[in-house]
Amino acid sequence: AQSVSQHNHHVILSEAASLELGCNYSYGGTVNLFWYVQYPGQHLQLLLKYFSGDPLVKGIKGFEAEFIKSKFSFNLRKPSVQWSDTAEYFCAVNAKSSASKIIFGSGTRLSIRP
Amino acid sequence: EPEVTQTPSHQVTQMGQEVILRCVPISNHLYFYWYRQILGQKVEFLVSFYNNEISEKSEIFDDQFSVERPDGSNFTLKIRSTKLEDSAMYFCASSQGADNEQFFGPGTRLTVL
Repeated sequence: AQSVSQHNHHVILSEAASLELGCNYSYGGTVNLFWYVQYPGQHLQLLLKYFSGDPLVKGIKGFEAEFIKSKFSFNLRKPSVQWSDTAEYFCAVNAKSSASKIIFGSGTRLSIRP
Repeated sequence: EPEVTQTPSHQVTQMGQEVILRCVPISNHLYFYWYRQILGQKVEFLVSFYNNEISEKSEIFDDQFSVERPDGSNFTLKIRSTKLEDSAMYFCASSQGADNEQFFGPGTRLTVL
């Protein structure tokens, strides 16, 4: 069965610190990978996605993620966080080419100290 | 930019009542989905829908749930007899093709009293 693990439940950083949120997935076939963000009181927004090609993908707001197939990982990074990055971050996966359900991780709450 | 819309934004109902949550997917999309997020928990898949039938459903999607595309634009989720544990944020999503990005709506917060 597909599953997504996010290693950190709650991360607290100061502004300008670098960020890396871990994500590992379990699935036997080819997958699409996503990071979604949910700002307080708002709905899910897509930060970035990996479907194929360059395993280093760049998203909105300076975020990037690297797909490492051998490690089944898709970690999210940002070199310098801002207070406005305070949000919940969800890693997600679905099976390629099957209109399949998206499986979400349990989320990482990111708190940025101003 | 086209977007998925959902109504109402907040629905309050009594336990045992029926509710219908409405979604208008992006107009040229063919695949439709419902997800839910119980407060403080992760987003969970409920059901996918294509070509006027359910493609896949989760264990959560029991006989109390049903989906329908009553016309060319709306996609609805009906809960026949709501329970307290149905209280959650319900997200609709749509995609153009089988392997395309799913676009999420803003959600409907359902509160069952």
